[in-house]
Amino acid sequence: DSGVTQTPKHLITATGQRVTLRCSPRSGDLSVYWYQQSLDQGLQFLIQYYNGEERAKGNILERFSAQQFPDLHSELNLSSLELGDSALYFCASSRTSGGAGNEQFFGPGTRLTVL
Amino acid sequence: GNSVTQMEGPVTLSEEAFLTINCTYTATGYPSLFWYVQYPGEGLQLLLKATKADDKGSNKGFEATYRKETTSFHLEKGSVQVSDSAVYFCALSGGDQFYFGTGTSLTVIP
Repeated sequence: DSGVTQTPKHLITATGQRVTLRCSPRSGDLSVYWYQQSLDQGLQFLIQYYNGEERAKGNILERFSAQQFPDLHSELNLSSLELGDSALYFCASSRTSGGAGNEQFFGPGTRLTVL
Repeated sequence: GNSVTQMEGPVTLSEEAFLTINCTYTATGYPSLFWYVQYPGEGLQLLLKATKADDKGSNKGFEATYRKETTSFHLEKGSVQVSDSAVYFCALSGGDQFYFGTGTSLTVIP
């Protein structure tokens, strides 16, 4: 158990809908990262937050947004869902924002299916 | 910029065979290097890490040495088991960002 929790574990929804994925980092970790993993695209970095502020942005679509709250949990909002958004969404956390030895710890993921 | 390139898969080996999964990196400064493993249906787990040149990370029989002269961090195991079947990701932490390779799928057959 990495100490990172994600809810829900599975989510099935329809095209055009909006969903929210939730992540709680390990105790003491200030950074949260979101990744999308699909069969054809591999592991894609979406966005990083550090202590409530956006720190880095990857291949995140404009239909997607995220935030990190004062208690350090994070939410990823996906809107106007398309079939191609079906994927595993992982959250990871780390102690700091970068630097040597800044390993990430991954949650179990949320499997999103868009029908 | 920083990047990680790892060996294309999939890789299929017989039990007790020797494993090498190649990983090379491009980075400015002095990055930390990692190998993560993803077992079927699970999230990624840290397998091993190395934070400076010539460091050797090891865990569960796997090893990787941080080679600055060849900018490499190849993963090796002397004798693989069926339970090692998984996807392996090489990763780099440099500055404020984390970079993952594309993953190498390993299947070990009895």
